[in-house]
Amino acid sequence: EDKVVQSPLSLVVHEGDTVTLNCSYEVTNFRSLLWYKQEKKAPTFLFMLTSSGIEKKSGRLSSILDKKELFSILNITATQTGDSAVYLCAVVGNQGGKLIFGQGTELSVKP
Amino acid sequence: DAGVIQSPRHEVTEMGQEVTLRCKPISGHNSLFWYRQTMMRGLELLIYFNNNVPIDDSGMPEDRFSAKMPNASFSTLKIQPSEPRDSAVYFCASSLVAPQETQYFGPGTRLLVL
Repeated sequence: EDKVVQSPLSLVVHEGDTVTLNCSYEVTNFRSLLWYKQEKKAPTFLFMLTSSGIEKKSGRLSSILDKKELFSILNITATQTGDSAVYLCAVVGNQGGKLIFGQGTELSVKP
Repeated sequence: DAGVIQSPRHEVTEMGQEVTLRCKPISGHNSLFWYRQTMMRGLELLIYFNNNVPIDDSGMPEDRFSAKMPNASFSTLKIQPSEPRDSAVYFCASSLVAPQETQYFGPGTRLLVL
């Protein structure tokens, strides 16, 4: 059965800290891995990763995929209170288009 | 671009009533997805369509749930009869077909069944 596991489930840091969120997966015929940020509303897209070792970067956020070890990390540097959200990892596998979501990591950034 | 549009944004109904949720995907997107999100179960895929055809409805909880996509710009998710355990936020998302699989979510419909 396809599965996505995120860790930690929750995390509390202070502004300025750097955080690393983890996502491991087991999926048939992996196609892509996506990261979303969800505040008090709908998930918003962050990154889509398809190739190992190629870092995607957007401002203070970056992500990388390891297809051999079946995981991805999402890094946030110099965290701000506005980074507080649930970060969702999802993979697309054999059934094209169907996203399988992890439980999410709830990040809280304290001033 | 208006993004994915969902209506209503909030719905409060009584057990046993029929509920219809609506979604307009992003123009040009070929795939449409219905999700349900609860605290207990997180985000779950209910059903998705490619080019208006249902591809995978294995996530639909039971026969009380049905979804249609009569054309490329409109889809409905119907619950009949509704039950309190159906209370959740229902998201619609759309995307281009693979390999451009990034899904863009609508604002969601918050459903409360009393």
